[in-house]
Amino acid sequence: SQQGEEDPQALSIQEGENATMNCSYKTSINNLQWYRQNSGRGLVHLILIRSNEREKHSGRLRVTLDTSKKSSSLLITASRAADTASYFCATETKTSGSRLTFGEGTQLTVNP
Amino acid sequence: DGGITQSPKYLFRKEGQNVTLSCEQNLNHDAMYWYRQDPGQGLRLIYYSQIVNDFQKGDIAEGYSVSREKKESFPLTVTSAQKNPTAFYLCASRKTGVYEQYFGPGTRLTVT
Repeated sequence: SQQGEEDPQALSIQEGENATMNCSYKTSINNLQWYRQNSGRGLVHLILIRSNEREKHSGRLRVTLDTSKKSSSLLITASRAADTASYFCATETKTSGSRLTFGEGTQLTVNP
Repeated sequence: DGGITQSPKYLFRKEGQNVTLSCEQNLNHDAMYWYRQDPGQGLRLIYYSQIVNDFQKGDIAEGYSVSREKKESFPLTVTSAQKNPTAFYLCASRKTGVYEQYFGPGTRLTVT
């Protein structure tokens, strides 16, 4: 079953612009995480937001969570060519234990 | 260096053969996970283990088997019963009490 769905599927921007990616999910969550994947590599954890949090920052990353709409967004400010990667949201639900369910990802291309 | 290693990076097999993918971690994490990723898609959970000598099926366990005889190791066998085994396989681990998962570099399996 698809817990997380992301949009857009692909995003192309110029260096220096901001990039926003969205994630929607279906069931109540304990937390929502964002991961990054460079082409052909493993995933790297970026940031986690708990169900009782609404916004979180880490460097150039800003994550918001709206549990009433079952959605989250990831904002990358002042993007760089090195930010080019796929970005995935992953949810841990109240019944899933330590399992994560991943969305299908947003492919971000930052043009120099 | 602490981390998760997967070997080999690329693996080629003939249809009808079983193949075992290696995953080793020296992070002293209790939980380990196997995911499958198909082109342009998110990760799907195959099997996971929260403790030595115990493991649970994920969403797509058919045609796969695992063992967890040591805390550091969680090998995945892709059997001949798996209909479409060609994919990118990712192993991850997680420390008890911490939410984020740490990923290995992945193994790309091609079956012809």
